[in-house]
Amino acid sequence: SSELTQDPDVSVALGQTVRITCQGDSLRNYYANWYQQRPGQAPVLVIYGEKNRPSGIPDRFSGSSSGSTASLTITGAQAEDEADYYCNSRDNSGNHLHYVFGTGTRVTVL
Amino acid sequence: EVQLLESGGDLVKPGGSLRLSCAASGFTFSSASLSWVRQAPGKGLEWVSAITGSGASSYYADSVKGRFTISRDNSGNTLHLQMNSLKDKDTAVYYCVKVRAASYDSSGYPENWGQGTLVTVSS
Repeated sequence: SSELTQDPDVSVALGQTVRITCQGDSLRNYYANWYQQRPGQAPVLVIYGEKNRPSGIPDRFSGSSSGSTASLTITGAQAEDEADYYCNSRDNSGNHLHYVFGTGTRVTVL
Repeated sequence: EVQLLESGGDLVKPGGSLRLSCAASGFTFSSASLSWVRQAPGKGLEWVSAITGSGASSYYADSVKGRFTISRDNSGNTLHLQMNSLKDKDTAVYYCVKVRAASYDSSGYPENWGQGTLVTVSS
């Protein structure tokens, strides 16, 4: 199986920029997706296919990748961006419809 | 609008069984792969199982293989997860997730999530 590792906690001042990283071997072969989960709510997709935003997601969210590391950047963080963020990719086993999620990063907006 | 509504979560004793359901609407159900993802209290997300649109193929995480069975009723737009031999560590919120097909990867990506149903395994 695969593992995706994220920093547990990051903080950002209101209006500033924060980058969340996700490391794992599967990211060398498969694109990353990112999910935002506010307390008590279900996850919401914010980035898919490494850098694509679903409709309705603000353009302050962007994604990138290099080697075995994927990144989610929030440019001009807002109070409502305070949440847990999870990366995700296909499992590196190559098995169809097998996925792996990152360990999660809690973002605090100061 | 895609809607996924899970049900069936309950308190069950270790070794017991439970069947979860997910009622879906807002998309062509039989064309979409579907998945279950769980989240233990205060923990991260864990992929559990997935099934193709036709139901012909299903997949499981090692942690549930041999104990859980995923199935779907394409005539009733419903996804199921039969959970047997439940263990304390199966305690979690279980989310029903629609997979979006992608041109760059046949497995696509998890797109839409239900609100989840809580399964508690405890004596």
